Amino acid sequence: NAGVTQTPKFQVLKTGQSMTLQCAQDMNHEYMSWYRQDPGMGLRLIHYSVGAGITDQGEVPNGYNVSRSTTEDFPLRLLSAAPSQTSVYFCASSYLRGGSGNTIYFGEGSWLTVV
Amino acid sequence: GNSVTQMEGPVTLSEEAFLTINCTYTATGYPSLFWYVQYPGEGLQLLLKATKADDKGSNKGFEATYRKETTSFHLEKGSVQVSDSAVYFCALSDPAGYGGATNKLIFGTGTLLAVQP
Repeated sequence: NAGVTQTPKFQVLKTGQSMTLQCAQDMNHEYMSWYRQDPGMGLRLIHYSVGAGITDQGEVPNGYNVSRSTTEDFPLRLLSAAPSQTSVYFCASSYLRGGSGNTIYFGEGSWLTVV
Repeated sequence: GNSVTQMEGPVTLSEEAFLTINCTYTATGYPSLFWYVQYPGEGLQLLLKATKADDKGSNKGFEATYRKETTSFHLEKGSVQVSDSAVYFCALSDPAGYGGATNKLIFGTGTLLAVQP
């Protein structure tokens, strides 16, 4: 019963390094997304996808890239890490049908520190 | 634009006390409303939801009623337990969006609940 799986759970990066946060879901969800969680700011949407080959920007996309080559996977790439990207990252997925009442399922989070 | 405002924490209660966490929203159209809970070191889990005015969502003893007239979705529980200690997030998704935009959640800042034995 995997649900939404994120790796790694913890990562420390140096400024300027690049890395990829992996996200996979086994529920055949069309919709996948990435959020970042910062103290006092709740969760903010970075990028989202409504299916393989289709991605779009959320509220805070700068410094991040995504791609969706399969229904199951939605990796988030940090091209050149900055201290401002220190955060907790959550991947989430859901069905598209059912409209705005869909339940969004979240992964357990990836704690990223950029020094 | 759409936004969610929820009461700041931390909220500290004794076991068996009554809980209210206030949440109000601003949205165009008629959003769906959610409460998510985040236990320490874990991801977010859906606690309850309501998709139209006057709907009441409920789960695990928690309740919230979608009040369109006051644009509110306050979370309540009659008797909290130590195991309820967590961060609670109010969120909305806007049905006016197209396709995947309807699944975009806008979150409040979260309220930390600490329940003492």
